[in-house]
Amino acid sequence: QSALTQPASVSGSPGQSITISCTGTSSDVGNYNLVSWYQQHPGKAPQFILYDVNKRPSGVSHRFSGSKSGNTASLTISGLRAEDEADYFCCSYTTTSTYVFGTGTKVTVL
Amino acid sequence: QVQLVQSGAEVKKPGSSVKVSCKASGGTFSRDSFNWVRQAPGQGLEWMGRIIPIFGTPNYAQKFQGRVTITADESTTTAYMELSSLTSEDTAVYYCARDQKLELKNWFDPWGQGTLVTVSS
Repeated sequence: QSALTQPASVSGSPGQSITISCTGTSSDVGNYNLVSWYQQHPGKAPQFILYDVNKRPSGVSHRFSGSKSGNTASLTISGLRAEDEADYFCCSYTTTSTYVFGTGTKVTVL
Repeated sequence: QVQLVQSGAEVKKPGSSVKVSCKASGGTFSRDSFNWVRQAPGQGLEWMGRIIPIFGTPNYAQKFQGRVTITADESTTTAYMELSSLTSEDTAVYYCARDQKLELKNWFDPWGQGTLVTVSS
C-alpha cells in the first residue's frame, strides 16, 4: 500500500486560506468517505482535526474544513493563524481493512 | 476520557527485538481498536497494524508482515507491539492510537505520547 500523496509544503500569510491535497487511489480515498486529518506540532503526538472527510470533532476550529472528489481529499484552513503552523497528515481506510497515511505537508505561516 | 500511556524509550542492537506497551484507561478496552503508527526522524506517519481485543486477531500492514506482532491483554487493558529483526531503519517514534472500528469511528483518537526506539550498534 503506497502512501497517499500530499504536497511537501504549503505556505500562506495570516488571514489567508490554504488548501492541502491528499491523493490516493480507488482502493482507499476513492472507495470510502473515511478520510481523517491530523495536525502535528514539533515534538508532539498527532491530533485529529477532521474525520469522515469533512466532519469536525468538538473543540476543533471551524476554520478547518474538508472535502473529497474522486481519489483526492482536501483540507482547507481558512483565516490562517500563527498557531496553524504545523505538519498535517491525511489518512484513509483501505479495501484491505488497513489504513494508509499521506506523505505529510508542512504548513508555514509567513 | 480515554488515555493511552506508553512505555519508555528503548535502545536496541541491530537484529534484536523490541516490545512497546500501551496502557489504556477510561474506555471500553475490549471493543476498541488499538493501532500502532511509527514516525522515523523527520519523516511521515506509517501505519503498522492494529488489534481489536474482543476478537484478538491482529491486522498488519503488508510491509511489516512476519516481523511485527501486536497483542492485547484485557486483564491489564494493555496493548503491545513487538518488532523483530531490528535495523537502523527501524529507529523511530512508535505511537499507539485508538480507533473505534466497531462503532464505525475510523479515526485515531487519542494517541499515546510516543516511544522512541533507537537501533544502534
